[in-house]
Amino acid sequence: GAVVSQHPSWVICKSGTSVKIECRSLDFQATTMFWYRQFPKQSLMLMATSNEGSKATYEQGVEKDKFLINHASLTLSTLTVTSAHPEDSSFYICSASGTGGWGTQYFGPGTRLLVL
Amino acid sequence: QKEVEQDPGPLSVPEGAIVSLNCTYSNSAFQYFMWYRQYSRKGPELLMYTYSSGNKEDGRFTAQVDKSSKYISLFIRDSQPSDSATYLCAMSLTGGGNKLTFGTGTQLKVEL
Repeated sequence: GAVVSQHPSWVICKSGTSVKIECRSLDFQATTMFWYRQFPKQSLMLMATSNEGSKATYEQGVEKDKFLINHASLTLSTLTVTSAHPEDSSFYICSASGTGGWGTQYFGPGTRLLVL
Repeated sequence: QKEVEQDPGPLSVPEGAIVSLNCTYSNSAFQYFMWYRQYSRKGPELLMYTYSSGNKEDGRFTAQVDKSSKYISLFIRDSQPSDSATYLCAMSLTGGGNKLTFGTGTQLKVEL
């Protein structure tokens, strides 16, 4: 149980385009979803937290207009990287929690983004 | 100073060895402690989850939390090549389903 999927698993795009990444909880309802980014040989950095039906809460330093997060249902959250630039190239990972604060986060397999 | 410190390694051990992985932290308000395993180019996988101080065992894995020293450990017994991965400690103020603060991860290689 507790499977989280991400799509696409990797994407290459041109500078200036927008990219949407989907995160789905397959066998549980995710009240909270988290978006992280991870650079090579570095740890996960939390970008934002989203609760179903609410606006996302962004971490300090993360541009909310550049990284648009939508959590429209209890099984789906999307991250859109708008006007992507090469410095946005990274590994983006989502996680989902279905039991509120007392539970655990289950991570997706990640999406590798390369902006040319 | 980072909130959570973890030796990045790499740590190389022979098959069958006992592995000790550690993290220290500065925020005494952390109550929930987790260990995740991450294979290359994959998402993290939860291994252990503990609340407050004490020990927890699950198969070959043992997690220890010493809140007085702000120090957590993960022990892996009878290590296998399949254990080769990056191990991330994570902690939270209010539960594993809320904001996690991660260590940088320790890269482990178990050699035949």
